[in-house]
Amino acid sequence: NAGVTQTPKFQVLKTGQSMTLQCAQDMNHEYMSWYRQDPGMGLRLIHYSVGAGITDQGEVPNGYNVSRSTTEDFPLRLLSAAPSQTSVYFCASNRGGHDSTEAFFGQGTRLTVV
Amino acid sequence: LAKTTQPISMDSYEGQEVNITCSHNNIATNDYITWYQQFPSQGPRFIIQGYKTKVTNEVASLFIPADRKSSTLSLPRVSLSDTAVYYCLVPIDNAGNMLTFGGGTRLMVKP
Repeated sequence: NAGVTQTPKFQVLKTGQSMTLQCAQDMNHEYMSWYRQDPGMGLRLIHYSVGAGITDQGEVPNGYNVSRSTTEDFPLRLLSAAPSQTSVYFCASNRGGHDSTEAFFGQGTRLTVV
Repeated sequence: LAKTTQPISMDSYEGQEVNITCSHNNIATNDYITWYQQFPSQGPRFIIQGYKTKVTNEVASLFIPADRKSSTLSLPRVSLSDTAVYYCLVPIDNAGNMLTFGGGTRLMVKP
């Protein structure tokens, strides 16, 4: 079982560059989300989706775009990378709803913006 | 919207029972309480979820009092490998979809 797969695992960007972090899940989960985790901190919700075609903002959405064209994929786009976006990014999926908060996380993408 | 408060850190010794309490004073009627574990350089891993009273699985127990304004994660007989950060979560949106992680509790298990 692949679960949640994130690519790439590591990435270095120059300030101003754009890129897309990929996330795919094979569990047919409706709910997917992106988090960032800065050193020594908890995870902060960037964007989430409750199904194909539906996305919404989390706690820290500025500088990021998402789309959800299929149930399986939920890419995160950095429009113009800034050093403040240096972080570890985690994608997660779960069935969604009040009684289904068991989320499955990917291995993370460690992003450095120089 | 519910927010959670939990201790920043705890120390324990191998073989002891560890109880981590989380307060969530504004929890909504439909919200479940969920606990996650995170090791360094890994994504969080689901431990347990509950709505009221007591839930137990092969890893932990979760105690939730009648008013549901707090919950306690109980880890029986911890080992060195239980050293991790533990997060208590309740959804912050009415639909129960937005899960946010606070700072968590850093548990250090000593030999």
